[in-house]
Amino acid sequence: AQSVTQPDIHITVSEGASLELRCNYSYGATPYLFWYVQSPGQGLQLLLKYFSGDTLVQGIKGFEAEFKRSQSSFNLRKPSVHWSDAAEYFCAVVPYSSASKIIFGSGTRLSIRP
Amino acid sequence: ETGVTQTPRHLVMGMTNKKSLKCEQHLGHNAMYWYKQSAKKPLELMFVYSLEERVENNSVPSRFSPECPNSSHLFLHLHTLQPEDSALYLCASSQDMEVDGANVLTFGAGSRLTVL
Repeated sequence: AQSVTQPDIHITVSEGASLELRCNYSYGATPYLFWYVQSPGQGLQLLLKYFSGDTLVQGIKGFEAEFKRSQSSFNLRKPSVHWSDAAEYFCAVVPYSSASKIIFGSGTRLSIRP
Repeated sequence: ETGVTQTPRHLVMGMTNKKSLKCEQHLGHNAMYWYKQSAKKPLELMFVYSLEERVENNSVPSRFSPECPNSSHLFLHLHTLQPEDSALYLCASSQDMEVDGANVLTFGAGSRLTVL
């Protein structure tokens, strides 16, 4: 069965430090991949998406993610985090091109140390 | 208004009450979704509507009853809920069911439900 794993439940980084959030998926072919962010009390906002082409994708708020087929990973990165980046981050996979089949990871909560 | 709007943002109800959650999208999308977000669990897809027809019902208990009167509005009717139904209920929409480079899910801010 298809699955998405975010191995880190909670990460704390210092403001200005770099960030990498991990995401691994289980699927035979290349799925569509997403990262969403959820600020406290809010819904999910799309950060970036990968469908095909360049494996390094740029998103909003200075985030980027790299698709690595050999590792079945789609890790999210930011070179320098801001206090406003504190939120929950969700990786998601769509294996069959149907929006009703999207599978979300359990999320990684990001805290920022002043 | 733009985007996906959910009301109420917070709801507290007893187990014998009947209430409804409302979702409205101003994006011209044809597909709408209800998700349940519980603490420490992945998002759970509950219902999907495409062009006002229900296309998915993921083994959701009958105490949750969806309604989609038109492509812009989606309701979740609640009755005789259990305390374990307390969660954040998220509504989302997409242009249609097919995911491609331009067609992704847009979420509302959610309705926080507490069942006493």
